[in-house]
Amino acid sequence: QVQLQESGPGLVKPSETLSLTCTVSGGSIRSCYWNWIRQPAGKGLEWIGRIYTSSNTNYNPSLKSRVTMSIDTSKNQFSLKLSSVTAADTAVYYCARGRGGVVRGIYFDYWGQGTLVTVSS
Amino acid sequence: DIQMTQSPSSLSASVGDRVTITCRASQSISSYLNWYQQKPGKAPKLLISAASSLQSGVPSRFSAGGSGTDFTLTISSLQPEDFATYCCQQSYSTPETFGQGTKLEIK
Repeated sequence: QVQLQESGPGLVKPSETLSLTCTVSGGSIRSCYWNWIRQPAGKGLEWIGRIYTSSNTNYNPSLKSRVTMSIDTSKNQFSLKLSSVTAADTAVYYCARGRGGVVRGIYFDYWGQGTLVTVSS
Repeated sequence: DIQMTQSPSSLSASVGDRVTITCRASQSISSYLNWYQQKPGKAPKLLISAASSLQSGVPSRFSAGGSGTDFTLTISSLQPEDFATYCCQQSYSTPETFGQGTKLEIK
């Protein structure tokens, strides 16, 4: 059974960089797509981006200038960095495994429990 | 970006009822539509992929269909554990986008 677990600071100051790591167990990170998705309180889900084979990435254009994702296959982990955060970045952040097609058809079949990140001074 | 619009935003129903939730895409997405169930404080759970393919372990009272721009999720006979928020997600193009969710409440 694949399991994902987010880790990282729950509080980040405005203008600083949010950093989160997702540890994957029960399966190899060398296949599939590895995603970050967030959800502000009481709102819908927003896909942030994904990383996959050979560190290829796709980012949401709305966040692309501030997002960096990386992968560490030796630790079965992938990470998110979101720079220059503001209060609008306060949300529950989920990591999720994506499966499906190469160009389209990706669905998210395993999710971490989510971690709340608050941006506040 | 493709906009996903769900209706209704909320729905009150009773155990045993049959309910249908609708998801509409702002452009054709063929059958690249997935459905999730989310309970308070929990991560979303994938129910259906590719518009109508039920995931392993999901009860058969859940069904879904549609193509192009209009999609539906139907629960044939509501059970107490089905009261949750349901959202759709298009996987036709990047960025993948989600509907705002439909909150299913007990009447």
